[in-house]
Amino acid sequence: DAGVIQSPRHEVTEMGQEVTLRCKPISGHNSLFWYRQTMMRGLELLIYFNNNVPIDDSGMPEDRFSAKMPNASFSTLKIQPSEPRDSAVYFCASSLATGGYEQYFGPGTRLTVT
Amino acid sequence: TQLLEQSPQFLSIQEGENLTVYCNSSSVFSSLQWYRQEPGEGPVLLVTVVTGGEVKKLKRLTFQFGDARKDSSLHITAAQPGDTGLYLCAGGGYALNFGKGTSLLVTP
Repeated sequence: DAGVIQSPRHEVTEMGQEVTLRCKPISGHNSLFWYRQTMMRGLELLIYFNNNVPIDDSGMPEDRFSAKMPNASFSTLKIQPSEPRDSAVYFCASSLATGGYEQYFGPGTRLTVT
Repeated sequence: TQLLEQSPQFLSIQEGENLTVYCNSSSVFSSLQWYRQEPGEGPVLLVTVVTGGEVKKLKRLTFQFGDARKDSSLHITAAQPGDTGLYLCAGGGYALNFGKGTSLLVTP
């Protein structure tokens, strides 16, 4: 079985540009999580979905960030406009809500905003 | 938000040595998880501990959950270069809170 798939793996963009990160969760998992990881702040939860519905977006830093999950097999995290301080590794994870909270992470997208 | 403090932040040891890393909080957790993250990869779950005082072993790794369910430790016996990575503890149930991790380097 394929794990969580993220694309692109690396993204370099200029300040002010729109960035879209993509995630395909593990088939059958009904929860999806977006995280951001930096040296300073560690791994931070941005938003999570249960059965495609956003449950908690309190970790989204500001209105420039938005996330969607149009169906059970796809989610996007969009940053518009991007800023240099958004540079980080963004992870998507999925889990089975009825399980023991174990989360399965994708390989991440390394975003650099210049 | 339930904060998790991990120590030490960095650890560099030689192959064959033993080590212990810690995860502490002022909050009680229903369960705690330990993940290992290798460079360029996402975290991978190692173990979940759910009962106060519980000890779980995974080959050379021993995980302990504190009696009060506020802290946990990870002990590695005879560390190997393949153990190198970032060790993260996480708790909080459905929406996990992660500690900042212990970065371990094991040199031959």
